[in-house]
Amino acid sequence: DTAVSQTPKYLVTQMGNDKSIKCEQNLGHDTMYWYKQDSKKFLKIMFSYNNKELIINETVPNRFSPKSPDKAHLNLHINSLELGDSAVYFCASSHGTGFYGYTFGSGTRLTVV
Amino acid sequence: SQQGEEDPQALSIQEGENATMNCSYKTSINNLQWYRQNSGRGLVHLILIRSNEREKHSGRLRVTLDTSKKSSSLLITASRAADTASYFCAAMEYGNKLVFGAGTILRVKS
Repeated sequence: DTAVSQTPKYLVTQMGNDKSIKCEQNLGHDTMYWYKQDSKKFLKIMFSYNNKELIINETVPNRFSPKSPDKAHLNLHINSLELGDSAVYFCASSHGTGFYGYTFGSGTRLTVV
Repeated sequence: SQQGEEDPQALSIQEGENATMNCSYKTSINNLQWYRQNSGRGLVHLILIRSNEREKHSGRLRVTLDTSKKSSSLLITASRAADTASYFCAAMEYGNKLVFGAGTILRVKS
């Protein structure tokens, strides 16, 4: 199936740990994104990559590091996890011209305890 | 930064009725998009309206855009129980950054 797929779907971890979330798209899009959705459902962009190049880097703690090995993959690594990092993280992809809608993955629910 | 404010925050209607959601945004935009999110799921793109368009239709969806007022509305006609979801507007800022509003929770009762 053509889609944006994220793994894992759920992630429960202790404070201070390091974790990664993986994202892959097979839609042939050239731009990928990470969004964070908090408990009040606010969606905030974190990062955007176009053809493996970082183009949007919002005010995000440097404990968050995206990595795009190729234009079909965008992973998110989080160091020294904090309670406030608990949220749902969505990966998305699009054609990078700004005139198309985004295709979202189903999300990764991260719970830091 | 949160681009859009959505109104109402929650809406409860009977099946068959129309649902209207409004969105306001702050800066100049390239286009405005609407997404649906079912509980526990990812967002699904519904419709995109460009800044030089005033109205757009897609099936039971009708979107309007007023750039002078920096506002948009989404109308869902003849609603169904399956339309129950959260609806988000998202403004595409120049620089290709898509910024989401706070969302409207729609409940359609059968």
